[in-house]
Amino acid sequence: GQQVQQSPASLVLQEGENAELQCNFSSTATRLQWFYQHPGGRLVSLFYNPSGTKHTGRLTSTTVTNERRSSLHISSSQTTDSGTYFCAIDHNTGANTGKLTFGHGTILRVHP
Amino acid sequence: EAAVTQSPRNKVTVTGGNVTLSCRQTNSHNYMYWYRQDTGHGLRLIHYSYGAGNLQIGDVPDGYKATRTTQEDFFLLLELASPSQTSLYFCASSAGTQYFGPGTRLLVL
Repeated sequence: GQQVQQSPASLVLQEGENAELQCNFSSTATRLQWFYQHPGGRLVSLFYNPSGTKHTGRLTSTTVTNERRSSLHISSSQTTDSGTYFCAIDHNTGANTGKLTFGHGTILRVHP
Repeated sequence: EAAVTQSPRNKVTVTGGNVTLSCRQTNSHNYMYWYRQDTGHGLRLIHYSYGAGNLQIGDVPDGYKATRTTQEDFFLLLELASPSQTSLYFCASSAGTQYFGPGTRLLVL
């Protein structure tokens, strides 16, 4: 089946440092999303980015489809960035089901 | 932002119990999904649906039934709950980007 590998599994930063989270997947993805999970459990979508580079605030997502990888860059980290970041892909090239396969996530802790 | 709500937010039941988890979305999305999240596994898809009356099997469907009664409402049914189904359950809806509900914590004793 489809594999989605995220690295690192966990990361600890001092506030103000930058972070680079990686996502590698085993076959061509037709849809790639990055999600953030609050420490309390709430999941929010950060980016829908099947290819190219997208920015929002201090976050940048870059997906290189033919290399089967995506990254999430967090600049000038803040304590409120702490939580778990998931990469998920839709590997169906036929019907657009939105059926996602998730990686295991990267746990980020930002200390003041 | 899309609104997806789940109920109950927390549930405790015993082995063999009957549990129904509810999900409602108010944005007329065609697709809805049920996931479970466990430590070490991330999120795994249980069932999904692309409209009222439709049901598609996900990656970990054993022990679960689901029903999509309307465009808005998607239910997950555990008819004989087992301790292995203790988990955090998420519902999501999608018309492209997936939007998640707040989750339901289920404990099966």
